Amino acid sequence: GQNIDQPTEMTATEGAIVQINCTYQTSGFNGLFWYQQHAGEAPTFLSYNVLDGLEEKGRFSSFLSRSKGYSYLLLKELQMKDSASYLCAVMDSNYQLIWGAGTKLIIKP
Amino acid sequence: IAGITQAPTSQILAAGRRMTLRCTQDMRHNAMYWYRQDLGLGLRLIHYSNTAGTTGKGEVPDGYSVSRANTDDFPLTLASAVPSQTSVYFCASSDSISSGSNEQFFGPGTRLTVL
Repeated sequence: GQNIDQPTEMTATEGAIVQINCTYQTSGFNGLFWYQQHAGEAPTFLSYNVLDGLEEKGRFSSFLSRSKGYSYLLLKELQMKDSASYLCAVMDSNYQLIWGAGTKLIIKP
Repeated sequence: IAGITQAPTSQILAAGRRMTLRCTQDMRHNAMYWYRQDLGLGLRLIHYSNTAGTTGKGEVPDGYSVSRANTDDFPLTLASAVPSQTSVYFCASSDSISSGSNEQFFGPGTRLTVL
């Protein structure tokens, strides 16, 4: 079966760095996405990785290792507005997104 | 209109009633999707459409139907609602379905409660 695993909840301090991990087992691989979802709102796109390595975009970076079925999202200089759920999703061989349940990130002052 | 709109925002429905959730996008995207999101679970694909005139079944299609008469609209119908269909429903679109880098854009969601 297809499976995406990520921690249910994480807590971090404003100004710090946090790494959210995602492991996956899917039938085929056409890329990995990270989305941010604030409570009561729609998911919004953060990053896309299809090749191994690190993609940096401002305070957010995303890493992929296809051989390990592993990705992480790194958030630097945390701000209170970063409190949200972070969703990992893998595009399978049929170009359908398989979604993890999301990691709720709580930022404390 | 900018992006994707959904209607209604929320709805309480009696079991057994028929309900259509509306979704419209103005980005001229070819592909559209319907997801449901339940607490503790990832987004699950209900139905999708590669292009106007075609539809396909996702992971959890039972009890739902869709149509894609034109590029912009992708309504989702519950023929006879049951309490297990209580969920938040998101419509999404992307430029195409068969290009890995195409991000999906989401509508604001419809919160549906079936009693």
